[in-house]
This record gives sequence, structure tokens and C-alpha cells, in this order.
Amino acid sequence: NAGVMQNPRHLVRRRGQEARLRCSPMKGHSHVYWYRQLPEEGLKFMVYLQKENIIDESGMPKERFSAEFPKEGPSILRIQQVVRGDSAAYFCASSPGSTGGARSGANVLTFGAGSRLTVL
Amino acid sequence: RKEVEQDPGPFNVPEGATVAFNCTYSNSASQSFFWYRQDCRKEPKLLMSVYSSGNEDGRFTAQLNRASQYISLLIRDSKLSDSATYLCVVRGTGGGNKLTFGTGTQLKVEL
Repeated sequence: NAGVMQNPRHLVRRRGQEARLRCSPMKGHSHVYWYRQLPEEGLKFMVYLQKENIIDESGMPKERFSAEFPKEGPSILRIQQVVRGDSAAYFCASSPGSTGGARSGANVLTFGAGSRLTVL
Repeated sequence: RKEVEQDPGPFNVPEGATVAFNCTYSNSASQSFFWYRQDCRKEPKLLMSVYSSGNEDGRFTAQLNRASQYISLLIRDSKLSDSATYLCVVRGTGGGNKLTFGTGTQLKVEL
């Protein structure tokens, strides 16, 4: 039972290039979340998606960042015209459902190993 | 004020010690609470959920005080392998499963 799969694990880009990070959720999970962790900081929520729908993108920077979760294939986080400040670990997580009681397994997020972006 | 606040540590303790971490959250309407563990440069992993009645999992005990908006994690008989960063995590009231993470408390267990 494969967990959340992210690739690439490491990505190096020069300023101005594009970065694409991919995430395949756990089998049976239909909800995907992207988080960013800057060096020496905590995880910050970016976006929450279900298949073909963006549910909450309140944590996404207004420009250059976009995310999708198509009907087929992985979720993709796209960063256009990268800058040095985009260097971070980008974690994807998935869950089986959106909500439930306090003890519902739907609340539990399982994280992928992350994609580390370095912008030169 | 941060939504979830933790003492960053580090907490350096000898093997076998008991150590406690605290966390406060700002949104009184928050619904679910968790402790995650993150090893250096790896993904966060769920350690345990935190329930109002308090709950225990082996050497780990979690407590929630809704009135004070305070969450705690107690680790008894600490092991070298417990060395990690412990993240206090809160789920808010909005739709979906958006989690808010504290910046983490670093624990170093030493011989």
C-alpha cells in the first residue's frame, strides 16, 4: 500500500524558470493538500484540492503559484518564474475525506516525503 | 498572535527522563487537535490525536484544555529515538481538513 508519492524529491532551478511538483495521494484518498516549509520555519498551508476542484487556496501566493488535481493523474503544484525565496520543502498530504467527528479517520493527513526546491 | 504557538526548544534531556511540551492555540472554535513528529528533513508523521478526555499511547500522553486553549504532550521514559521536532497541529472550523501547524518543539534525548 504505497503512501503519498511526491516527485521529484529534489529540484534545482535557476531564477525565472518554472518548477513543477507532483503528488499522487494514497490509494483511496480523494483529498490533497499542499504545504510549504521554509528553512527553520513551520509548515504553512497553501492549497486544498479534490479531483478537478480547488476547495481552499487561501494560502497560495497571489502570483506565480498554481495547483491542480486533474481527474486522471497526480496533483501538480506549479511555480512560475521562481525566485530565491521559493526555495523550500513542499509537502503534499492526502486524506480519505474532508471532515468528520473528532475521532474520524477522515481527519488524518498522511504526508509525502516532500519535494525540496532550490532556486539558484 | 500566531494561531498555534509552541516553545521552540531545544529540550535536551537524558535518556529515561520525562519531558512535557505545551502548545496554545488562538481560535477557540478549533475542532481537532494533533501532535505530529518530524525528523530532520523528513515529512511530518502523525504521533497521536488529542481528545478532550485526554489520551495515552504507550509512553505518550496528550491532554487538551479547551477553556485555556492549551494542549500538552508528555513523554515518559524518553528514548534516543524520540529525538525529533514535535509539531502541535490544530484543525479549524472551515470546511475541509486544513491543518494549522505550530513551528515545533525540538527534543534531543542524550545518553
